[in-house]
Amino acid sequence: DAMVIQNPRYQVTQFGKPVTLSCSQTLNHNVMYWYQQKSSQAPKLLFHYYDKDFNNEADTPDNFQSRRPNTSFCFLDIRSPGLGDAAMYLCATSRGGEPRTDTQYFGPGTRLTVL
Amino acid sequence: GDSVTQMEGPVTLSEEAFLTINCTYTATGYPSLFWYVQYPGEGLQLLLKATKADDKGSNKGFEATYRKETTSFHLEKGSVQVSDSAVYFCALNSGGSNYKLTFGKGTLLTVNP
Repeated sequence: DAMVIQNPRYQVTQFGKPVTLSCSQTLNHNVMYWYQQKSSQAPKLLFHYYDKDFNNEADTPDNFQSRRPNTSFCFLDIRSPGLGDAAMYLCATSRGGEPRTDTQYFGPGTRLTVL
Repeated sequence: GDSVTQMEGPVTLSEEAFLTINCTYTATGYPSLFWYVQYPGEGLQLLLKATKADDKGSNKGFEATYRKETTSFHLEKGSVQVSDSAVYFCALNSGGSNYKLTFGKGTLLTVNP
């Protein structure tokens, strides 16, 4: 089945220690997204790629970076995780047609714990 | 700007009860509307969507109708099951050049046997 895969499902890191989360997709979608979801809150968009074009949300901290080396993979790098960065990180993809009707498909998420 | 307002949760129902989760929106353009469901510890799954006024989205016994006149997209199910226990998110996308989804805060549904 075509899908969005996130690894690892659970990640524990130490305060200030860089961490990378991975997302891959077999849908061949043009757009890939990273969301942060804290407990009992709605997902918050951090940034997205349309192909190789990177689009950062205005309020995304500089501590969060992303890489998309090819169509299938996208990485979220947290350079110096703080306690406030503990959250579920969701990757999503979409075909990239008309923005209004473009449907996003989500992966299972990576739960990040910062000690 | 765009915003989505969902009814406050949590919602607790008995199995086979009727479910309504209210969702209203404000949007700068003519949005598409979505309902996503999140089961405990998992990512979001698209439940249904509607892209124009009076469209009805449906899936797994859930329905929602795009009401432009009342700017609403209420989620309904005639008979809920324990397995429907999850958080439900209403969302919209106004389009333009923006791929951003605007989510409501989510409504936690618990269905008891």
